[in-house]
Amino acid sequence: DAGVTQSPTHLIKTRGQQVTLRCSPKSGHDTVSWYQQALGQGPQFIFQYYEEEERQRGNFPDRFSGHQFPNYSSELNVNALLLGDSALYLCASSLSGVHQPQHFGDGTRLSIL
Amino acid sequence: AQSVTQPDIHITVSEGASLELRCNYSYGATPYLFWYVQSPGQGLQLLLKYFSGDTLVQGIKGFEAEFKRSQSSFNLRKPSVHWSDAAEYFCAVGPTTSGTYKYIFGTGTRLKVLA
Repeated sequence: DAGVTQSPTHLIKTRGQQVTLRCSPKSGHDTVSWYQQALGQGPQFIFQYYEEEERQRGNFPDRFSGHQFPNYSSELNVNALLLGDSALYLCASSLSGVHQPQHFGDGTRLSIL
Repeated sequence: AQSVTQPDIHITVSEGASLELRCNYSYGATPYLFWYVQSPGQGLQLLLKYFSGDTLVQGIKGFEAEFKRSQSSFNLRKPSVHWSDAAEYFCAVGPTTSGTYKYIFGTGTRLKVLA
C-alpha cells in the first residue's frame, strides 16, 4: 500500500521563475493539504484541497496556488519565486471529515538561487 | 489564537535514559492533538494522536503521551531511548469541528541521543 508520494524530491530554481510540485495521496485518501517547512521551523499550512476545490487557505500570498485532480492527486504552483520560498514543501493526505489524521510524504526540497 | 509551543529546541539524552518532550497548546475547545517525528531529509511520521477518552495515549515505537487539560499540555514520553530515536519531534493541534481544516505545528524539538 503506497503512502503519500511527492515529486520531484529536489528542485533548484532562480528568483522570478515558476515551479510546480506534485503529490499523490495515500490510497483511499481524498483530501490533500500542502505545508511549507522552512529550515529549523515547523510546517506551515498553505492550503487544503477536497473535491477538486480549495477549502481552506493559510497565510500565504496568491503566488501560491494549487489544483486537485479527479484521481485526488494534487499540484502546488508557486509563481514569481522569491529567495524566501526556499523550503521543504510537504504534502499530506487524509480522509475527509474531522478527526482524520494526516499522512505526510517525504517532501520536495526547493532551493531558490 | 490557536498555537502550539514546544519550549525545548534541543534535548540530549543518553541511550537507555527516559525522555519527556514538552508541548503546550492554546485552543478554544477540546483539541485534537498529535505528535509527529521527522528524520533528516524525510517527511513526518505520526507517532500518536488524542481527541478524547483515556488521557494517556500509546503510540508507535514505544512512545506515549499524556493529555492534561488543566495544564494545556500534551507531553511525549519514552521510558528508554534508543539511538534510532534521534530525530526532530513536532507537536500539532488539528481541527475538531467541520469548517476548519488546518493543522498547527510547534517549532519542533531536536533530540540527540548519546551512545
